[in-house]
This record gives sequence, structure tokens and C-alpha cells, in this order.
Amino acid sequence: GQQVMQIPQYQHVQEGEDFTTYCNSSTTLSNIQWYKQRPGGHPVFLIQLVKSGEVKKQKRLTFQFGEAKKNSSLHITATQTTDVGTYFCAGLNYGGSQGNLIFGKGTKLSVKP
Amino acid sequence: EPEVTQTPSHQVTQMGQEVILRCVPISNHLYFYWYRQILGQKVEFLVSFYNNEISEKSEIFDDQFSVERPDGSNFTLKIRSTKLEDSAMYFCASSNRSWNSYTFGSGTRLTVV
Repeated sequence: GQQVMQIPQYQHVQEGEDFTTYCNSSTTLSNIQWYKQRPGGHPVFLIQLVKSGEVKKQKRLTFQFGEAKKNSSLHITATQTTDVGTYFCAGLNYGGSQGNLIFGKGTKLSVKP
Repeated sequence: EPEVTQTPSHQVTQMGQEVILRCVPISNHLYFYWYRQILGQKVEFLVSFYNNEISEKSEIFDDQFSVERPDGSNFTLKIRSTKLEDSAMYFCASSNRSWNSYTFGSGTRLTVV
């Protein structure tokens, strides 16, 4: 079945440093979504990428979708302590009317002030 | 901001007992999902539900699991005979389109003792 791999599993950074997490799918995706889960919280939707090669920005966050629609990345510039949490990519591969999100294992980000 | 509501927030149950986890999806959403997350691990797909029937289910969703939409608002997950390994956070999610973002509830932490 479809698998979504994500690296690294953990990332510890000093506040102000950049952070990147990478996501790879075993199959071509219809779209990829990114979620953030704060410690003790639930996944919260950040963004969805649909088009091949798409790049989207949200303030200090930059999201990319690969040309082959099998990989994606999230880059955070100048991390802040509020960025702490686990970032999950989730791939959607739908046919017909139904598709399900398959989550990567997540990258847990800790930021040292 | 519309929310997905889950109850209870925490459920402790004896091994072998039945539990019902409850969810109220966002009112105009048509697609409903259950995911689970074992502590510190990835978010795993259990089942998707659309048009009053299961659309897809994972290997985890075996005969001890069932879902129901008993009325126009609730969406429930029943675990018939709980096992220790069922201990996890169970998240309900809903979406207005099968390819759109999911809104997750705050989860039910199930502890089987």
C-alpha cells in the first residue's frame, strides 16, 4: 500500500536557525497536506499542495511539492519557540470519489531559546 | 471557526470491555474519518465514512471495530472487546470534500488496563 516517509524524525535547533523536513511518497500523490501537532494537541491543517512543482509560503514557512508529485518539503526560516511541535506531511491519493490521507511519521521540532 | 468535537477526552477501560468513542463532525461536512495515534508515533488511518457507509478501512480496522452515524450529527467508533494494544489517542476528522483538508477533533485518549 501507499507509504509516506518523512525525515528527520527529530530536529533540535537554536532559536533563529532554519529548519527543514522532507517527505517522500512511494506513489504519485493527488495532493499533499501538511499538519502541525503541538505537544498534547491534535493535528492542525497548515497547507495543501496540488500542482507539480508548486511552492507556497506562509510567513516564515515555505512548502514545496516536487515535480513528480512524490516528494515535498517544509522549510521554516528563523525558527521561534512558537514553532515547537511535530510537523506531519500527509499524502492523498484519490481515485473516483474517495481518498484517504496517509501520514508520515512526523518530524518533532524543538527550539532552544 | 467550526470544530470537530470528541467525547470523552479520556476513557479508561478494562481489557475485554466495549467502548464507544463519540464525535460530532462539522455540520456541513460529508466525509468522516477515524485515525489513531499511539503515544509518540504517527497518525494512523483507521476508516473513512461517506454516504452512510464505510468507504475504506485499514488493516488495523478489523472485526472488533465498527463505525456508525446513528443520527444526523454523531459519528461513533465502537471497539467491541478492547485489548491492551488498543491504548492510543483516537482522532475523529471530517472534510467537506474527499480531496480537501481534514479538520481533526481534540481526540479521545483511550487507556486499556
